[in-house]
Amino acid sequence: GAVVSQHPSRVICKSGTSVKIECRSLDFQATTMFWYRQFPKQSLMLMATSNEGSKATYEQGVEKDKFLINHASLTLSTLTVTSAHPEDSSFYICSATPGQGNYGYTFGSGTRLTVV
Amino acid sequence: GQQLNQSPQSMFIQEGEDVSMNCTSSSIFNTWLWYKQDPGEGPVLLIALYKAGELTSNGRLTAQFGITRKDSFLNISASIPSDVGIYFCAGQGGSQGNLIFGKGTKLSVKP
Repeated sequence: GAVVSQHPSRVICKSGTSVKIECRSLDFQATTMFWYRQFPKQSLMLMATSNEGSKATYEQGVEKDKFLINHASLTLSTLTVTSAHPEDSSFYICSATPGQGNYGYTFGSGTRLTVV
Repeated sequence: GQQLNQSPQSMFIQEGEDVSMNCTSSSIFNTWLWYKQDPGEGPVLLIALYKAGELTSNGRLTAQFGITRKDSFLNISASIPSDVGIYFCAGQGGSQGNLIFGKGTKLSVKP
């Protein structure tokens, strides 16, 4: 079955630094990847949709200059949290799909970001 | 925007009991998905529903896509302790659209 690998699983960084999170589709080509944010005891909130080779589409209220998304290949998308602040601490999850049509969405295992 | 109303918010049941949870929406979805999330992990797909009225099983899990495309339910039969977790419904509106998630149902199973 489809496997999505997300790395790192946990990261602690200092305020003001940047953190990069990687999302890889291991056994399929992901034309579209999604990035979610999840606060404790809450549901997943979509941050942005990225299509390979084009700019990401951000949801309303998500700062594109703060959450940089790059989808340079069909198997890799990265989310960079720039100038991180403690309020950026959260659980970030990516998901991937091969493309159009009724395909199941496979999720990565998530990244717990703590900004101190 | 599109929203999914998922209920119940939480359930505390005895091992062996059956469980039922559901999601409703004012919008039509083309696809309904049910996921389970364990603490500190990403959601894992349980069942995907693609046709209105479709009834699909996966082991002890059964889910149905409502005929109006605005609702879905998930049943778990003969619950076991490893069923503990948070269950999310998710709806997809278009062929390449993003998923809209319900708020989740937290399931606790007492041995």
